[in-house]
Amino acid sequence: AQSVTQLDSQVPVFEEAPVELRCNYSSSVSVYLFWYVQYPNQGLQLLLKYLSGSTLVESINGFEAEFNKSQTSFHLRKPSVHISDTAEYFCAVSGGDFNKFYFGSGTKLNVKP
Amino acid sequence: GAVVSQHPSWVICKSGTSVKIECRSLDFQATTMFWYRQFPKQSLMLMATSNEGSKATYEQGVEKDKFLINHASLTLSTLTVTSAHPEDSSFYICSAREVDVKTQYFGPGTRLLVL
Repeated sequence: AQSVTQLDSQVPVFEEAPVELRCNYSSSVSVYLFWYVQYPNQGLQLLLKYLSGSTLVESINGFEAEFNKSQTSFHLRKPSVHISDTAEYFCAVSGGDFNKFYFGSGTKLNVKP
Repeated sequence: GAVVSQHPSWVICKSGTSVKIECRSLDFQATTMFWYRQFPKQSLMLMATSNEGSKATYEQGVEKDKFLINHASLTLSTLTVTSAHPEDSSFYICSAREVDVKTQYFGPGTRLLVL
């Protein structure tokens, strides 16, 4: 069975400060990891994903996440956040068929001016 | 690319009526579509998986007679909430994936309010 834990339900941070959103997973098989972002009253948008290869993956808007197999983590980071990054972020894990996505409980990022 | 739309974006209905929600993949063929439910301040819960032309596979605890899913074509899946009750009020999100593509693309969601 697979599961995802997002340790922080809310993360307040000031604009231009760095941020890390934590994600840990458990799985007995090979995993593929994803971060999705959800703006209020909207669906989920894919932010970045790890499928294979380099353990550091980046998004087009400055976020990055590193797959750490030994620590079973896939933390999301951004060196300098903007007001527009305020949203809820979901970490998800999938097995090889990509038909079962297990989501964490989400982390609300609140960027303050 | 990889755009998924949902219609309607929100709906209010009376208790006892049925509501149909459409999910479309606009620029790709979705061999598999998924329906999720999201309660306030909670994560997404997978309700069912549907493959084009086949019966949907429901997750444990999801009433298949209440949540009817039809995946009639490679670009359209529908979720019908039958005899809706206030406890069915929720945010319903669909997603879709193309064969051999290693991710799911999500629709914008439909907010259902049953009075």
